[in-house]
Amino acid sequence: DIQMTQSPSTLPASAGDRVTITCRASQSISSWLAWYQQKPGKAPKLLIYKASTLESGVPSRFSGSGSGTEFTLTISSLQADDSATYWCQQSYSYPWTFGQGTKVEMK
Amino acid sequence: EVQLVQSGAEVKTPGESLRLSCKGSGYSFSTYCIGWVRQVPGKGLEWMALICPGDSETRYSPSFQGQVTISFDKSISTVYLQWSSLRGSDTAMYYCARRPDRTGYFDFWGRGTLITVSS
Repeated sequence: DIQMTQSPSTLPASAGDRVTITCRASQSISSWLAWYQQKPGKAPKLLIYKASTLESGVPSRFSGSGSGTEFTLTISSLQADDSATYWCQQSYSYPWTFGQGTKVEMK
Repeated sequence: EVQLVQSGAEVKTPGESLRLSCKGSGYSFSTYCIGWVRQVPGKGLEWMALICPGDSETRYSPSFQGQVTISFDKSISTVYLQWSSLRGSDTAMYYCARRPDRTGYFDFWGRGTLITVSS
């Protein structure tokens, strides 16, 4: 199985901060990476797919980059509504696997 | 409006059987695959299985192969996930999610079904 490792596990940040989350794959996954946002008690929501394509309706302050084994999710200016856990997911090969999550908290 | 309506929460005892359902509406059911994702409370997301009603393609994670069965009924636009014998370790939230054809992501998720297995 391809292992996905996210860092950091927790990210305290203030409103307006630029926030970056990293996701590393244990082998190359080309651009087969998606990012999801999950708020407490809710289902995950798709933010980014194919590493850098913004899902329709997702605010433009979210962006994704990377290919191969290293990927990043960036929030250009953190809003209070962005407090959530963020997950990366690879679909290069079965079984699809998720990172362990990054919890973004407001300072 | 796209909807994935999941069946309600269940409380079961170990050894019981269970079938969860996920009914799709507001889109062409056969055009999308449906997957199931497990989330133990306070823990991460685990991809379990995927089925594509259009061509019956079925995939399982090795971690869940033999433990669950995924199936569908195209006539009622519903995908199922079933267990023949539950364990306490099956206690979790289970989400169904829609995968667009020939892609690698879930673009729409159900609200989840909480399964509690306890003696």
